[in-house]
Amino acid sequence: DQQVKQNSPSLSVQEGRISILNCDYTNSMFDYFLWYKKYPAEGPTFLISISSIKDKNEDGRFTVFLNKSAKHLSLHIVPSQPGDSAVYFCAASGLTGGSQGNLIFGKGTKLSVKP
Amino acid sequence: KAGVTQTPRYLIKTRGQQVTLSCSPISGHRSVSWYQQTPGQGLQFLFEYFSETQRNKGNFPGRFSGRQFSNSRSEMNVSTLELGDSALYLCASSLDVGTYNEQFFGPGTRLTVL
Repeated sequence: DQQVKQNSPSLSVQEGRISILNCDYTNSMFDYFLWYKKYPAEGPTFLISISSIKDKNEDGRFTVFLNKSAKHLSLHIVPSQPGDSAVYFCAASGLTGGSQGNLIFGKGTKLSVKP
Repeated sequence: KAGVTQTPRYLIKTRGQQVTLSCSPISGHRSVSWYQQTPGQGLQFLFEYFSETQRNKGNFPGRFSGRQFSNSRSEMNVSTLELGDSALYLCASSLDVGTYNEQFFGPGTRLTVL
């Protein structure tokens, strides 16, 4: 039973446009959400996070939105660049004493940004 | 500062064998977690260690075990390997435990079981 779901395995966007990656979760006990980016042959790298007490967090070109009532979060990348092409993972924590060391990940969305 | 290192990077084993994977965290980091990545299941949590103690364990059979040493280095062991254990095994370290302690991932060990 997947607690964190990324229903789009892939997304293709034109350079300069907005990329929107979506993530749904089922467990209302999650209190912290993160997005990671992963290039081939490398480990995931942290991108941006949001606490459940907020509904938006912005960092440069990246913005994460959280809709707790819908149990949905999204990552917006504006403007998208070819270097953003990677697999993006949504992750959640909060089930076991508030540790990031026990993250529940979605299966990832492969973003392709075309020049 | 050196990142998280994992050895070996690639490994080929046969069914029934056992394997030990190693992870060296970033200097000063005391928390180490392990994840398994497969195409079908995505990234799944295996264990979390802090100060040589296992804090959390994921939903994996007892064939999967781990430990952490006093210098925070960690190893994970898989006994009686099965074909389904073929995966990328990722290690992550963080300075401390707690919600806001960012995890830094290593490049992973690619295990192939034949």
